Amino acid sequence: EDQVTQSPEALRLQEGESSSLNCSYTVSGLRGLFWYRQDPGKGPEFLFTLYSAGEEKEKERLKATLTKKESFLHITAPKPEDSATYLCAVQDSNYQLIWGAGTKLIIKP
Amino acid sequence: KAGVTQTPRYLIKTRGQQVTLSCSPISGHRSVSWYQQTPGQGLQFLFEYFSETQRNKGNFPGRFSGRQFSNSRSEMNVSTLELGDSALYLCASSLDSGSGELFFGEGSRLTVL
Repeated sequence: EDQVTQSPEALRLQEGESSSLNCSYTVSGLRGLFWYRQDPGKGPEFLFTLYSAGEEKEKERLKATLTKKESFLHITAPKPEDSATYLCAVQDSNYQLIWGAGTKLIIKP
Repeated sequence: KAGVTQTPRYLIKTRGQQVTLSCSPISGHRSVSWYQQTPGQGLQFLFEYFSETQRNKGNFPGRFSGRQFSNSRSEMNVSTLELGDSALYLCASSLDSGSGELFFGEGSRLTVL
């Protein structure tokens, strides 16, 4: 059964303290892995698409990487405005999106 | 470029009533997907419409329905509301069907009393 698991459920960091979020998956025929950011009371905002193992994407303080079994979202020197829930989704061979439960990130000033 | 617009943003209904939610996608986007988001279940896929045709459907009862118009705007309807239908309903648009790069609206927050 296709499955996406995100860890940790919540992560509290001090401003400037770098860390990583994990998205592990089992899926038949990965077509792509997607990262989204969601602020409270708003819809998710698309961040990255990764298609194959070894691929990396960067945007400001965020860098997403992909292996055959998991993806990491690295956050370097985070700021309070990076606080949000980060969602991971994988697309299977039938183009179905399977979503993770998300990691709630809190950056304290 | 205007984003995805959902109306209404908030609504309160009672059990047994029905509700219709509206979504206007980004200009040029032909695919519209609907999701239900709750704290316990996360994001759950309802259905996807492309060129006025339902392309995919999630595991929701028949009380949940939708449609898409020729201008790509979409509506979803929930009939005979239950308490468990209280959720944030999100609409997302994309250029093509089956895309994982979705652009979400801010959602319609439904409370069923």
